[in-house]
Amino acid sequence: AQSVTQLDSQVPVFEEAPVELRCNYSSSVSVYLFWYVQYPNQGLQLLLKYLSGSTLVESINGFEAEFNKSQTSFHLRKPSVHISDTAEYFCAVSEKTSYDKVIFGPGTSLSVIP
Amino acid sequence: SQTIHQWPATLVQPVGSPLSLECTVEGTSNPNLYWYRQAAGRGLQLLFYSVGIGQISSEVPQNLSASRPQDRQFILSSKKLLLSDSGFYLCAWSVISGYLTGELFFGEGSRLTVL
Repeated sequence: AQSVTQLDSQVPVFEEAPVELRCNYSSSVSVYLFWYVQYPNQGLQLLLKYLSGSTLVESINGFEAEFNKSQTSFHLRKPSVHISDTAEYFCAVSEKTSYDKVIFGPGTSLSVIP
Repeated sequence: SQTIHQWPATLVQPVGSPLSLECTVEGTSNPNLYWYRQAAGRGLQLLFYSVGIGQISSEVPQNLSASRPQDRQFILSSKKLLLSDSGFYLCAWSVISGYLTGELFFGEGSRLTVL
C-alpha cells in the first residue's frame, strides 16, 4: 500500500526567502503525485500535479515540484515566498493501477513572516 | 462547470447524538466520491470512497457510515457520535473515466464539534 511522508510539520520562513517543502512516498507501482494547498477553514485546492512527462512541474503562482523516481520524492519549492503563501500544504499520491484512492501526507504548515 | 456543495458548514452536537453530513456534485456524472476527515494537526484521513451508486468502500473501521443514494450525492452518517469524531470533514470528487488520474476536487468542508 502506498504512503506519503512529509517530514516537516511546520516551516517558518521570512517573506521573499526561498522555501522547500519535502515529500517522500512509498509505492510498489507507478504513481501520480500532487500538491494541494489549504487556506484556513477552507477545502483543499490543487496546486500542481505530476502525471507523466517532464519531471519538473510548475504552478501559476510560482511554485514548482520535481519528481525524483530514484529517491521517491516530490519536493515543493518556491524561490521567493509571499505573505499570501501562508497555508497548509499537502502532498498526495494515487497509484496508476488503483487510482480511485488518493492518499495524503500529514501536511506541512508554511508560515511566512513579514 | 463542475461544483461541489457540502453542508452544514458548522455543526455542534452532543455525544451520543446522530450525524448526517451531505455532499452533492453538479456538472458531472458518475464521479468517484470521497469523505476525508481532518483532525487538528493530523492531516487528511480517508474515511470512505465510492465508485458508483450503492458502492461504498470503508478505509477505517469506526462508528461512521456512508451512503450514496444517488449518482452525485454522498452522505456521511453516525447513529451515536463520540468525542473523537470531532474534526473537519471534507467531501471530494474525481473523474471516473479513461482520464482518471486521482486528481480530487474538494468541497468547503464541515466542521463538527462533539461536546
